[in-house]
Amino acid sequence: KQEVTQIPAALSVPEGENLVLNCSFTDSAIYNLQWFRQDPGKGLTSLLLIQSSQREQTSGRLNASLDKSSGRSTLYIAASQPGDSATYLCAVHHFGNEKLTFGTGTRLTIIP
Amino acid sequence: DGGITQSPKYLFRKEGQNVTLSCEQNLNHDAMYWYRQDPGQGLRLIYYSQIVNDFQKGDIAEGYSVSREKKESFPLTVTSAQKNPTAFYLCASSIELVSGELFFGEGSRLTVL
Repeated sequence: KQEVTQIPAALSVPEGENLVLNCSFTDSAIYNLQWFRQDPGKGLTSLLLIQSSQREQTSGRLNASLDKSSGRSTLYIAASQPGDSATYLCAVHHFGNEKLTFGTGTRLTIIP
Repeated sequence: DGGITQSPKYLFRKEGQNVTLSCEQNLNHDAMYWYRQDPGQGLRLIYYSQIVNDFQKGDIAEGYSVSREKKESFPLTVTSAQKNPTAFYLCASSIELVSGELFFGEGSRLTVL
């Protein structure tokens, strides 16, 4: 059974710093991995989708990497801003499973 | 704008009543999903549909029902058989069931009084 872990559960950093969020998964046979952000009381917003054949994806200040062999993905946020404060979730689509497996998220707070 | 619309945003229900949550998408996606989110827990899949007139149970389907009569619509009914229905419900869609990027609506918060 695929398990997805996000550590730490919460993270606070000063504005302007670069930061890395982590996502680990137990089974490397995946179709893709997706990163989302969720603001309090809102739905999930898709940030980046990395297919299994890709090593990384970039969108603006965000860069997501994928290392299937080690079962890890990282989300790098450059020059953090208070507006980046949110919960970040990763989700893995595993071969032989029609469903995504979600991590429980990292709650990020950017301190002005 | 293309997207997923969920309604109502907030809903209060008395015990023993059935309620239906609406989900409409104009993204022309084939696959649609319902998730439940509880504090401190990850998202849990209730039902999903790969195509019109077809749907499958997810991990926590007991006490819920769905229909998929139109491509754009995937309503969720929370029945009186659901023991703990108070939660945040999220609808999502993707262009295809496998390997498609998932997009979410803004959610519906159901509170049972």
